[in-house]
Amino acid sequence: DAGVTQSPTHLIKTRGQQVTLRCSPISGHKSVSWYQQVLGQGPQFIFQYYEKEERGRGNFPDRFSARQFPNYSSELNVNALLLGDSALYLCASSPGGSNYNSPLHFGNGTRLTVT
Amino acid sequence: KQEVTQIPAALSVPEGENLVLNCSFTDSAIYNLQWFRQDPGKGLTSLLLIQSSQREQTSGRLNASLDKSSGRSTLYIAASQPGDSATYLCAVRDTGGFKTIFGAGTRLFVKA
Repeated sequence: DAGVTQSPTHLIKTRGQQVTLRCSPISGHKSVSWYQQVLGQGPQFIFQYYEKEERGRGNFPDRFSARQFPNYSSELNVNALLLGDSALYLCASSPGGSNYNSPLHFGNGTRLTVT
Repeated sequence: KQEVTQIPAALSVPEGENLVLNCSFTDSAIYNLQWFRQDPGKGLTSLLLIQSSQREQTSGRLNASLDKSSGRSTLYIAASQPGDSATYLCAVRDTGGFKTIFGAGTRLFVKA
């Protein structure tokens, strides 16, 4: 079975531009979470989606938005990019619902560089 | 506010040594604690998940323990190998269910 897939793997953008990152969860998983990992730090929670609805949001500005599609894939959008948005963006999937004790499964991430 | 701390930040050991990585968290209201491995520039690989009602989990040379009341977990790696070199992250899932909070990780280097 395919794991969590993210695209693109690398991206270079200029300050002020907008970017869209994509994630496909493991087959059968209905929950997708997004994390930002700055070099040398642990991942920081951005969003969780379950059944196309936002279930949680971390401490990130409104420039960050996301959505989940009927096939449970997800997109993360970041507007008005800043240099500080440069990071590895990770997507994780899990069965969701009341399965709080199912492990998170991560993709390999998208490396975003803002110049 | 939940905070997760990992000690040490970095560790270098000779091959074959047994080692312990530490993780502490400030709020015991968690569903579970999960240990991950991350290779440079890569995503996270799940190693072990301990539910809040459990005390430990084992997988091969890895053993993770959880003391929820004291807010501590340890990851024990037996007979370390150069291939174990990576960053190890612990994360707790809060009782809201949707947020998993990570520590900054321990960078492990196993010398051949």
